[in-house]
Amino acid sequence: AQSVSQHNHHVILSEAASLELGCNYSYGGTVNLFWYVQYPGQHLQLLLKYFSGDPLVKGIKGFEAEFIKSKFSFNLRKPSVQWSDTAEYFCAVKGDTGRRALTFGSGTRLQVQP
Amino acid sequence: ETGVTQSPTHLIKTRGQQVTLRCSSQSGHNTVSWYQQALGQGPQFIFQYYREEENGRGNFPPRFSGLQFPNYSSELNVNALELDDSALYLCASSLDRGLGSGANVLTFGAGSRLTVL
Repeated sequence: AQSVSQHNHHVILSEAASLELGCNYSYGGTVNLFWYVQYPGQHLQLLLKYFSGDPLVKGIKGFEAEFIKSKFSFNLRKPSVQWSDTAEYFCAVKGDTGRRALTFGSGTRLQVQP
Repeated sequence: ETGVTQSPTHLIKTRGQQVTLRCSSQSGHNTVSWYQQALGQGPQFIFQYYREEENGRGNFPPRFSGLQFPNYSSELNVNALELDDSALYLCASSLDRGLGSGANVLTFGAGSRLTVL
């Protein structure tokens, strides 16, 4: 069975600091990888996704993530965070089996202080 | 385009009762998935419906059931509610064109928060 680990449960940064949120998954086959964001009081939104090709993917609002197959990782990065990035971030994976479900990590709560 | 809408937004039930949650999928989407998000956790897959049939199921008991209608809207039914069923229930729709990139991008609704007392 596939699983996702997000190492940081709660991250507090000051504005303009750099961000890296860890995500590791366990699945031996081909994967599709996602980061979703949930802003306070809002629904889950897709931040970025990786299906194939360039392992460095860029998403909305200046976020990017790098797929490192050998490390089973898909870490999320942003060079300079803003107060408006305060949210909960979820990494998710879908394997290449017939099951179409996404498996989510437990999430990382990011708090950006002005 | 309209997004995914869910109703009700909040509800309170007591143990043993039954609940029905509703979801209207995004325009143009043909697949609906339901997820349960307990407090402090990531969403967990309940099941998915495609062409009005269940197309995959997570580790949830049979008292969790669903329907998809010809207009691709969906219902989640939970019977014999337990305290642990208290959670945010998320509906997500997607366009399934078979294998390929479009099949996996989910659009989520805001959720229905269920409290079981």
